Amino acid sequence: EPEVTQTPSHQVTQMGQEVILRCVPISNHLYFYWYRQILGQKVEFLVSFYNNEISEKSEIFDDQFSVERPDGSNFTLKIRSTKLEDSAMYFCASSVRQVENTGELFFGEGSRLTVL
Amino acid sequence: EDQVTQSPEALRLQEGESSSLNCSYTVSGLRGLFWYRQDPGKGPEFLFTLYSAGEEKEKERLKATLTKKESFLHITAPKPEDSATYLCAVLNQAGTALIFGKGTTLSVSS
Repeated sequence: EPEVTQTPSHQVTQMGQEVILRCVPISNHLYFYWYRQILGQKVEFLVSFYNNEISEKSEIFDDQFSVERPDGSNFTLKIRSTKLEDSAMYFCASSVRQVENTGELFFGEGSRLTVL
Repeated sequence: EDQVTQSPEALRLQEGESSSLNCSYTVSGLRGLFWYRQDPGKGPEFLFTLYSAGEEKEKERLKATLTKKESFLHITAPKPEDSATYLCAVLNQAGTALIFGKGTTLSVSS
């Protein structure tokens, strides 16, 4: 069964360092998303991406964050200068159609980021 | 202001003890109400989409219903493998992303 894969599963970094989280969405999907979940809190929307550009971004997704689809398969989230409060589980998701048509997003297993 | 409020935060059931989880929403012009399941350390997994009041969807021991103000996830005769956090979500204004509630963590003991 096709699945969204994320790497790394866990990354520890020092405050101020750059981090890149990688995702391989399901191959025929066209819409891509990043969400994050701080431990014990709700799953929060960061950004949606379609046709090689950002469709929507939340207030959390400030200038320190960027996304890219560098080739036909990968979708990356970069945090330029990490802060302690960036520590969270980051989930990549994809969908074949726009989410309002089905509500069905396929999530990866997440990348846990720990900022020291 | 939270658009999606879920209750209770946590629920403990005995195997076979049926119950319901609640999701109330404040968005105007609802364009869909979505239920997901999240296991510990995993990403959310899609369960149901409901679009209009009165609509119902079923999957195994789960049934989701929708009214004009809230949605319920009914769990009939739960088993330990139903233990998970159940998330409710609505669309953002642009219809481009899901906004999740905090979830209800269900524990079913045998």
